[in-house]
Amino acid sequence: QKEVEQNSGPLSVPEGAIASLNCTYSDRVSQSFFWYRQYSGKSPELIMSIYSNGDKEDGRFTAQLNKASQYVSLLIRDSQPSDSATYLCAVPMFSGGYNKLIFGAGTRLAVHP
Amino acid sequence: ETGVTQTPRHLVMGMTNKKSLKCEQHLGHNAMYWYKQSAKKPLELMFVYSLEERVENNSVPSRFSPECPNSSHLFLHLHTLQPEDSALYLCASSQDRTGSSGSYEQYFGPGTRLTVT
Repeated sequence: QKEVEQNSGPLSVPEGAIASLNCTYSDRVSQSFFWYRQYSGKSPELIMSIYSNGDKEDGRFTAQLNKASQYVSLLIRDSQPSDSATYLCAVPMFSGGYNKLIFGAGTRLAVHP
Repeated sequence: ETGVTQTPRHLVMGMTNKKSLKCEQHLGHNAMYWYKQSAKKPLELMFVYSLEERVENNSVPSRFSPECPNSSHLFLHLHTLQPEDSALYLCASSQDRTGSSGSYEQYFGPGTRLTVT
């Protein structure tokens, strides 16, 4: 089992709809979770962090965490064409005395007008 | 300058050349990373430096040689590369909270687009 799994997509949604991106992880002791957005040819940009079970809202973005199910999701409300990008889920792993981030392969989102 | 900067942004080099990529972070972080991202592939972690000590080398070929002279600067020295090494090379930094897998945001630079001819 991969440490962080995401559906590669593409996920295609119409403008104005809710886009739902999902991520599962294998390390039960993980305490923090991150979503990055990466436009084609650009570097990943941190857009959401979540540490507690439940929902965290930031503008049109809502991150949802369920540690019991080892599941984290990102909802994008009122999707815009400018949201079209690859979304990466990332989970820290502590190993060998230091932290590193384990990234999923990413879900490509396409928002069409 | 703010955040994480990388130079050059684009680099074309022949297989016999020697070049270096530079990364600088202005965030006061104590850990820095090199990643490789090939076309339509996931991020690949190459090297990790924590407190200026290299703590991970993910089986990267010796033609890639990292250097971390202090907590703000990171270099990737390149020599005798292959065409398959063409990729986006990303530098990132974070504040490593030793002994914990808690809050740990990692911030990326804009990347260096490398083409090996």
